[in-house]
Amino acid sequence: QSALSQPRSVSGSPGQSVTISCTGTSSDVGHYNFVSWYQQHPATAPKLLIYDVTQRPSGVPDRFSGSKSGNTASLTISGLQAEDEADYYCCSYAGTYTFWLFGGGTKLTVL
Amino acid sequence: QVLLQESGPRLVKPSETLSLTCTVSGVPITASFWSWIRQPPGKGLEWIGYIFQTGSPHYNPSLKSRVTMSLDTSKGQFSLNLDSVNAADTAVYYCTRTVGIRYSDLWGRGTLVTVSS
Repeated sequence: QSALSQPRSVSGSPGQSVTISCTGTSSDVGHYNFVSWYQQHPATAPKLLIYDVTQRPSGVPDRFSGSKSGNTASLTISGLQAEDEADYYCCSYAGTYTFWLFGGGTKLTVL
Repeated sequence: QVLLQESGPRLVKPSETLSLTCTVSGVPITASFWSWIRQPPGKGLEWIGYIFQTGSPHYNPSLKSRVTMSLDTSKGQFSLNLDSVNAADTAVYYCTRTVGIRYSDLWGRGTLVTVSS
């Protein structure tokens, strides 16, 4: 199976909102509510931001929210801050054979 | 506090075996699923496989013929072996705690393994 599809880059100004999409198929994103999102700053390990499509781990600000419609999941970051500038990856469970698929990553630039 | 730490050779020759170990502290290794995920330089993430105490490991189909994972509960470690490596296997390798089939909530710092003669 192919990787999930994400835009290569998005940008926004401080205080604005941005949404990053993650498009899969009816075999992964569209079939399971096991979509997660990870934030990665340069030279650091990814950090879990969202799990099970909409859930935030403790410690993650509520500026970060997740949703899903059909085969596309989305991560919305509201009230952009400079420290949000990072790469963002989506991931979806894709069944017992493939297990996990990642998106190619989206670079967020805070202008 | 749960910590994961990768260890192993940073340089591996083509056609040889890449071997990494992840040492887990702060939680019994029997209590969770554990995964390896890699990231080639400048590229995205790729799931390699997961292992847990009570079942068989599960591997990425694209790597399955070359991957072996194992669990050493007495040492609180799990390991990755990747056979017949080539330059495309050059990547930062992360070990993670995986919550069932759903997500990885804890990550090691990662270790860059370079395949080169």
